[in-house]
Amino acid sequence: GAVVSQHPSRVICKSGTSVKIECRSLDFQATTMFWYRQFPKKSLMLMATSNEGSKATYEQGVEKDKFLINHASLTLSTLTVTSAHPEDSSFYICSATPTGSSTDTQYFGPGTRLTVL
Amino acid sequence: GNSVTQMEGPVTLSEEAFLTINCTYTATGYPSLFWYVQYPGEGLQLLLKATKADDKGSNKGFEATYRKETTSFHLEKGSVQVSDSAVYFCALKVSGDNDMRFGAGTRLTVKP
Repeated sequence: GAVVSQHPSRVICKSGTSVKIECRSLDFQATTMFWYRQFPKKSLMLMATSNEGSKATYEQGVEKDKFLINHASLTLSTLTVTSAHPEDSSFYICSATPTGSSTDTQYFGPGTRLTVL
Repeated sequence: GNSVTQMEGPVTLSEEAFLTINCTYTATGYPSLFWYVQYPGEGLQLLLKATKADDKGSNKGFEATYRKETTSFHLEKGSVQVSDSAVYFCALKVSGDNDMRFGAGTRLTVKP
């Protein structure tokens, strides 16, 4: 149990276009989901906390207008990278906390590799 | 601020060798400490955790002890298997804070 999926697993796009990444909790409901970014040989960096039915909370230095987060249901959060540029190329990982659990409990998706040409 | 430093890899061991992956932390308050494992093509999975000083987390033959005096949470396994090949992440989280802080990850390869 406690599976989180991400789609797509890989995406290549042209500079200036927008890309949407989906994060789904498959067998549990998640009021809170998290979006991380991982650079090569670096640790995961929290970008934002996504709460179902409310606005996401972004970490310092993360542009909210560039990385749009929508958490419209208890099993789905989306991250849209708008007007993507090559420096946005990275590995994006989501996690989900089951409703009612502490955020110490996070189940992670397999990640999405974004390459912007 | 809160941060985690873990041993750089990659680490290559022969089957049945002893494994240690070092992890030290800096934190305000009293963090919970975690080890996550990421197998190829999969998401991070919680391997073990400890929530207070001197606690020992253990799972699948791996163990780590929360050492407040040395601010460490080193991962150990007495006899590794080929199936343990993966990337291991040390992490901390302070209660009430959503931010899970991760180390850079250590890639372990176990050869038969």
